[in-house]
Amino acid sequence: DTGVSQDPRHKITKRGQNVTFRCDPISEHNRLYWYRQTLGQGPEFLTYFQNEAQLEKSRLLSDRFSAERPKGSFSTLEIQRTEQGDSAMYLCASSLGERNHYEQYFGPGTRLTVT
Amino acid sequence: QQPVQSPQAVILREGEDAVINCSSSKALYSVHWYRQKHGEAPVFLMILLKGGEQKGHEKISASFNEKKQQSSLYLTASQLSYSGTYFCGTENWPGTYKYIFGTGTRLKVLA
Repeated sequence: DTGVSQDPRHKITKRGQNVTFRCDPISEHNRLYWYRQTLGQGPEFLTYFQNEAQLEKSRLLSDRFSAERPKGSFSTLEIQRTEQGDSAMYLCASSLGERNHYEQYFGPGTRLTVT
Repeated sequence: QQPVQSPQAVILREGEDAVINCSSSKALYSVHWYRQKHGEAPVFLMILLKGGEQKGHEKISASFNEKKQQSSLYLTASQLSYSGTYFCGTENWPGTYKYIFGTGTRLKVLA
């Protein structure tokens, strides 16, 4: 088990373009989280999945953000019509458990730069 | 809604102790603590649950005051490796598995 992986690690895109990020969680983990982090700030919750079900999505997100987790395995986060304010590190984390509380294991992140 | 951490930053000498606080305006069900080094992902330190259950590393201790809606992380006999930014992640009552991370505390340990 090599931990949580994210792809790509860096993405530079022009304003208005769509981007998609992928997260592969630790294989036996049921929960998967997406966060956004800007310099000097804590991770900001975006959404999370319990297996393939998206259970909560931040109200801070506009309709330009969407996430999927088909078959409860890997997840993708898509940002449509990117804006300069979307520039940030996008972190994925996974954890065990359906009802209990377990620690989250974070991936290395995808750094997005919108020019 | 974001939990507030204090202090914002602290500098220690090796061997000194530190306390980092995390306060929420909402009733909490659990608190997670993570440490993040520059350019790296956050790493788990401790979970504290309503009712007193704790899970975490043996060398890290923490408290969870449910009535005051706050948690404190205790770092004793600090080592150079303790340097980094500490974040609390709070889960509101009645327990949703959604975590809101705090404002962060930057800790620097000097030799």
